[in-house]
Amino acid sequence: NAGVTQTPKFQVLKTGQSMTLQCAQDMNHEYMSWYRQDPGMGLRLIHYSVGAGITDQGEVPNGYNVSRSTTEDFPLRLLSAAPSQTSVYFCASTERAGYGYTFGSGTRLTVV
Amino acid sequence: LAKTTQPISMDSYEGQEVNITCSHNNIATNDYITWYQQFPSQGPRFIIQGYKTKVTNEVASLFIPADRKSSTLSLPRVSLSDTAVYYCLVGDRAAGNKLTFGGGTRVLVKP
Repeated sequence: NAGVTQTPKFQVLKTGQSMTLQCAQDMNHEYMSWYRQDPGMGLRLIHYSVGAGITDQGEVPNGYNVSRSTTEDFPLRLLSAAPSQTSVYFCASTERAGYGYTFGSGTRLTVV
Repeated sequence: LAKTTQPISMDSYEGQEVNITCSHNNIATNDYITWYQQFPSQGPRFIIQGYKTKVTNEVASLFIPADRKSSTLSLPRVSLSDTAVYYCLVGDRAAGNKLTFGGGTRVLVKP
């Protein structure tokens, strides 16, 4: 099993550009989440999903959109990139709420 | 979600036992305690989860006293590869999608 796969691993954007961070899991997990981690900080929840077609906002949702059309995929879209969105983004999934999450290896995003 | 307090950093030596205590004074009846490990440039990795008393797996042990206002993650006989940040999370399993990561404890294992 590949687990949670995130692409790309690295990305540089110019201010105002949009892009989509991809996240896919092959474990048939219903629950998926997106986090961002700024240098030296803990992770902050951006958006999460409890199943296909169901998404909700986390702690820091502004500037980001998500969709969940399939169980496997949970893409994160940056609408208009800003330097404040420079961070490492992690996608995670779990079979059931509250159980241990499996995290992807992250996408390091720099907005200039 | 209950707020947690952990030491910012700890140093240890190879072969020693490392104990990291997490305070969660306002833990709720339905809350579970979960620990994650994060290496540099990697996503967090689930280590262990418990509700009360003691839980042990192949990686660590989790000790939770009767009042559940704190918990201790114990890493036996650490090696250099255990150098990482360790996060303590407390929350209701029903709210599991809203994991709140604090600053964590940076553990440095020295030779």
